[in-house]
Amino acid sequence: AQTVTQSQPEMSVQEAETVTLSCTYDTSESDYYLFWYKQPPSRQMILVIRQEAYKQQNATENRFSVNFQKAAKSFSLKISDSQLGDAAMYFCAYRSKYGNKLVFGAGTILRVKS
Amino acid sequence: DAGITQSPRYKITETGRQVTLMCHQTWSHSYMFWYRQDLGHGLRLIYYSAAADITDKGEVPDGYVVSRSKTENFPLTLESATRSQTSVYFCASSEPLEPEQFFGPGTRLTVL
Repeated sequence: AQTVTQSQPEMSVQEAETVTLSCTYDTSESDYYLFWYKQPPSRQMILVIRQEAYKQQNATENRFSVNFQKAAKSFSLKISDSQLGDAAMYFCAYRSKYGNKLVFGAGTILRVKS
Repeated sequence: DAGITQSPRYKITETGRQVTLMCHQTWSHSYMFWYRQDLGHGLRLIYYSAAADITDKGEVPDGYVVSRSKTENFPLTLESATRSQTSVYFCASSEPLEPEQFFGPGTRLTVL
């Protein structure tokens, strides 16, 4: 069974600075997707970024980018120019390419200081 | 409204009572999912459904029952609620083999 580990329960960053959230996963599969979800206090689950395992290029979405290391099974999220609105719980998630279920990490609470 | 909705948004009940959480989606997605969110565990899959009348267990199915008579609805029932079922429950939907799942707003359930 696949597992996802987020080793940082909480992180803090100063506004306008850069922060990196860590995620590692365990799988025997070669084709899969990885995701970062943001959960603000409203509880809504918001997809931040998605990475296909067969793509070597790291995904980027505006201020959000990932460092995908397939051999190391690592998938970190970098947030540049942090904003107060980035404060939230962030979840890393895994999905087999030929399955439909998401496996989540425990989450990292990100606090942004002004 | 288009999208995925859950009701109620908040629910307080007592141990031993039956509770049903509702989920409705307007996209006609084939797949629907129920997750529970607990501190330290992230979201864990309770049950999922590939189509109407097809359901299967996830990681933590004990104490829950689901049904899916219509594609757009996927209710989750706690037949006899326990305190350990106090949690936030999320419904999600997706198309087969499409990578993204779309989440509802969640239901916060408290069992006293």
